[in-house]
Amino acid sequence: GAGVSQSPSNKVTEKGKDVELRCDPISGHTALYWYRQSLGQGLEFLIYFQGNSAPDKSGLPSDRFSAERTGGSVSTLTIQRTQQEDSAVYLCASSYRAETQYFGPGTRLLVL
Amino acid sequence: SQQGEEDPQALSIQEGENATMNCSYKTSINNLQWYRQNSGRGLVHLILIRSNEREKHSGRLRVTLDTSKKSSSLLITASRAADTASYFCATVRLGGSTLGRLYFGRGTQLTVWP
Repeated sequence: GAGVSQSPSNKVTEKGKDVELRCDPISGHTALYWYRQSLGQGLEFLIYFQGNSAPDKSGLPSDRFSAERTGGSVSTLTIQRTQQEDSAVYLCASSYRAETQYFGPGTRLLVL
Repeated sequence: SQQGEEDPQALSIQEGENATMNCSYKTSINNLQWYRQNSGRGLVHLILIRSNEREKHSGRLRVTLDTSKKSSSLLITASRAADTASYFCATVRLGGSTLGRLYFGRGTQLTVWP
C-alpha cells in the first residue's frame, strides 16, 4: 500500500509568516510522529499522537509550534511567526504498534 | 534531547569491504532500531533489536546489542556503492508516557567507493 506522504515537499517562506505542513500516515496506523532535522543534526522529536489519547507535545520547541490530527488520520503541523532557526527538514512517521516507524519523505522548510 | 551517539561520524570504505558502525545510549531501553537516510530526506527502517536480544541478522546486516554497556553495532557486509547513506540508531525508552517515541543519535555518514 501507499507509504507516508507529506506536503509540500519544499516550502520557502519569509520570516514572520505562518506555515502549515501536512502528513498523511499509512492507513490504519494509530500512532503518528513529527520530527525535525536541522542541517547536519540528528532527528529531534516534536510531537506524538497515539489513537485517541492526548498527544505528547513535550518536544515542541516553543508555543509557535502546534499540531493536530483530525479523525485519527491526517496531521497538520503549524508554525506561527516563523523564524530563521525554524529552517529544517520536517519529517512525519506513522506506526501501528508504536514500534517500527515508517517515515515520509519530509518537508524541507527554508525561512528567509 | 539526543539519546544515542554514533561512532564514527563518517566512514569511507571500498566496495566489498565490511562497514561497522557503533551506537551508545544513556537510558534503559525497550528496543533499539537502525535507520538509513539518503540525501537528507525520509528514513528507512532497517532492523529492530529488542532489549532481551543480543544479535540479529537481516540479509547483509548484522546488529548486536549489549545492554550492560548500553551500546549497539551495525555491521554491513560486502558493502556496495548503493549503501552510501547516513545511518542512525534510535532507541525506544523503557516505560514512561513516551512509549514509541524514538530518540535518535546524530548518525554515521557512510561512503562506499566503487
